[in-house]
Amino acid sequence: DGGITQSPKYLFRKEGQNVTLSCEQNLNHDAMYWYRQDPGQGLRLIYYSQIVNDFQKGDIAEGYSVSREKKESFPLTVTSAQKNPTAFYLCASSIELGYNQPQHFGDGTRLSIL
Amino acid sequence: SQKIEQNSEALNIQEGKTATLTCNYTNYSPAYLQWYRQDPGRGPVFLLLIRENEKEKRKERLKVTFDTTLKQSLFHITASQPADSATYLCALDGIGTNAGKSTFGDGTTLTVKP
Repeated sequence: DGGITQSPKYLFRKEGQNVTLSCEQNLNHDAMYWYRQDPGQGLRLIYYSQIVNDFQKGDIAEGYSVSREKKESFPLTVTSAQKNPTAFYLCASSIELGYNQPQHFGDGTRLSIL
Repeated sequence: SQKIEQNSEALNIQEGKTATLTCNYTNYSPAYLQWYRQDPGRGPVFLLLIRENEKEKRKERLKVTFDTTLKQSLFHITASQPADSATYLCALDGIGTNAGKSTFGDGTTLTVKP
């Protein structure tokens, strides 16, 4: 079955450490997204990518970085500059960017501080 | 800036009744509006999309309306079941410079009691 796989499901970060969250999709979608969700809140856009080797900042990109070297993969790095990284991180994809296509989500990675 | 408000954080109803969830938006004229369902610890799942020129859309027991004058969308679940208990998120898709950047509401948690 096609879908989005996020790993790991749970991740712990030590102070001053960078951590990378994995997101892989086999839906052949061009557009991919990273969101952050805090308890009781909606999703806030971190980064998005329309196509391979291209990505744009979302509303809360500070302290995060991404790459899009392959169509299937869109990893997110939470850097030490992100002072409040504890959250639920969701990766999504859609056929295209900016069209009336629904987003397909993975089941998230929960990041906590040690 | 654009803002989305979903009615009360929690909605409790009796099985068999119709659940009505509200999504209001300001400072914005979205081209599309989407509704998603999110279960605890999981990623959102797409339910319905409605365009600005559509007044109503249905899918099985679900119905969505989109009133661009009131700047409001209503999401109805008829003959509700305990299995419908989840958090429901609305999301607005932008056009022009906001194309592809979905803005999500904080969600409404629905509990259907048997």
